Amino acid sequence: QVLLVQSEAEIKKPGASVKVSCKASGYTFINYGFNWVRQAPGQGLEWMGWISSYNGYTHFAQKFQDRVTLTTDASTRTAYMELRSLRPDDTAVYYCAREFRDMDQVGFWGQGTLVSVSS
Amino acid sequence: QSVLTQPPSVSAAPGQKVTISCSGSSSNVGKNYVSWYHQVPGTAPKLLIYDNDERPSGIPDRFSGSKSGTSATLGIAELQTGDEADYYCGTWDSSLSAVVFGGGTKLTVL
Repeated sequence: QVLLVQSEAEIKKPGASVKVSCKASGYTFINYGFNWVRQAPGQGLEWMGWISSYNGYTHFAQKFQDRVTLTTDASTRTAYMELRSLRPDDTAVYYCAREFRDMDQVGFWGQGTLVSVSS
Repeated sequence: QSVLTQPPSVSAAPGQKVTISCSGSSSNVGKNYVSWYHQVPGTAPKLLIYDNDERPSGIPDRFSGSKSGTSATLGIAELQTGDEADYYCGTWDSSLSAVVFGGGTKLTVL
């Protein structure tokens, strides 16, 4: 079965960067891309962007395109999300989520990684 | 403010049926597939419905989806206390070129 295991929680200072990893198993890695979605405390879901595991093509929500880098490593079956210039309002649980079939529908979710930003 | 509009909360008794609406526009719900997700607080969301009305394997047929025009609906029949969770709709918005979600609906099974 599809399994996505994310890295542990992080605590960062404002202005720092964070890199979250997402290790996939249970399917052919390069056949499906990854969405990244975040959820601030007590809030709803916010889509950040998507990366193709086949060719590395990325597509971002306008809000994040200048601060987020998405990458994948097929040799380790791992996707990464790096968020730079962290602010306190970036405090959220960050989810990697494999596309169901195409980037427009989120299918399988990782367990989430809490990123806390505080001075 | 979310691009897709959902009621903040719905409630019903065990064994009854409840519906959750998701209202959008011609650039999102009106022209793209809608998905539904179920999230127990403190855990990750889980896909319930894809392609408007299809269930992934393992999702019971108590859960159903439909779409008409710029609105979509999730139906949950034979409610169980274990169905208490937050439910989100999601779709692609062709104008924003982004996946968009509703604000979420909290289901209470009385």
